[in-house]
This record gives sequence, structure tokens and C-alpha cells, in this order.
Amino acid sequence: DAGVTQSPTHLIKTRGQQVTLRCSPKSGHDTVSWYQQALGQGPQFIFQYYEEEERQRGNFPDRFSGHQFPNYSSELNVNALLLGDSALYLCASSRGQHFSGNTIYFGEGSWLTVV
Amino acid sequence: GQNIDQPTEMTATEGAIVQINCTYQTSGFNGLFWYQQHAGEAPTFLSYNVLDGLEEKGRFSSFLSRSKGYSYLLLKELQMKDSASYLCAVEVGGSYIPTFGRGTSLIVHP
Repeated sequence: DAGVTQSPTHLIKTRGQQVTLRCSPKSGHDTVSWYQQALGQGPQFIFQYYEEEERQRGNFPDRFSGHQFPNYSSELNVNALLLGDSALYLCASSRGQHFSGNTIYFGEGSWLTVV
Repeated sequence: GQNIDQPTEMTATEGAIVQINCTYQTSGFNGLFWYQQHAGEAPTFLSYNVLDGLEEKGRFSSFLSRSKGYSYLLLKELQMKDSASYLCAVEVGGSYIPTFGRGTSLIVHP
């Protein structure tokens, strides 16, 4: 049973560039959430996708956008990269949404360094 | 908004018991998660508490007091492999999106 998979694992970008990160959810899961984790911090919620639509969003600017495909996989896009966007980007999947104790399963993450 | 507080770092000896505390201030509290994250790896689910009291799961137990806005994770018979960051996350009713604290880095030494 494949868990949550993310690609790429590491990448380096220049300020002002754009980046796309990819995620395949755990088998049987239909909801994908993205988190940003800076060094020494806990994961910060970016947004959640369900049925190919953004359902909830955290406190992140419009430079952060996403997409969910019919097979439930998802992409995170970040435009006009800033040095402060350097972080570990975690994808998490779950089955359904909006119920108590709905455990989310994380992927290994994509390490983004902006120089 | 939510305010979640955990100690930044703790150290303990192999074979000992350690308690990692988490306090929170939030509106619409629904439940609380604990996750374990080894360096360079994904967070993995440990426990979820919605009712007051202690939930035991092998060497790990988690406690919740809703009235005090307080939880702890208890790790018994510590092993070197327990060295990791432990993340407390509060789930708020309505959104059901867990909000994470900054994590507690636990170092287990021989």
C-alpha cells in the first residue's frame, strides 16, 4: 500500500522564479492538504483540496496556488519566489473531510531552497 | 486564532520516562493530535484525544484536559530511536484542520 509520495525531494530556485511541487495521496484517500514547515517550526497549513477544488486556505498569499486532478493527485505552485519561501513543503492526505479525528498522513516532503 | 505552546527541547536517558507538555488557547476546540517527526522525515501519527483522560498505546500515552487547555505525551522505556521532534496539533471544529505547535525536540542519550 503506497503512502503519500512527493516530488521532487530537493530543489534549488532563484528569487523571482516559479516552482511546482507534486503529490500523490495515499491509496484510498481523496483529500490533499499542503503545509509549509520552516526549520525548527511546526507545519503551517497552506490549503486543502477536495473534489478538485480548494476548500480551505491558511494565511498564505495568492502567490501560493494549487490544483487537484481527477486521480486525486495534487500540485502546489509558488510564484515570484522569495528567500523566505525556503522550507520543507509537506503534502498530507486523508479520506473525506470535515469530521473529527480525521487522521492526515504526510509525505516525506520537498525541500525548497531559494537563493 | 490559536496559540499552542510546547517546550523547544528536552533531553532524557535511555530507559527512562519523559513527559512532553502542550498547552493551547483556542476557540472551538475539537480534539488534539500528537505526531512524531524524525529529522528529515515526514511526521507520523501517534494519537488523537477528544475526551478528557489518558489514552494508552504501548509505550506511548497521551492525556487531555479540555478545561485546562492542556495535553501531554508520555513516553515510557525510552529508546534511542525515540529521539525526534514531537508535534502537538489542535483541531478546531468547523474547519477540522489541525494547527501545529512548533514541536518539541527530544534527545535520548545512553
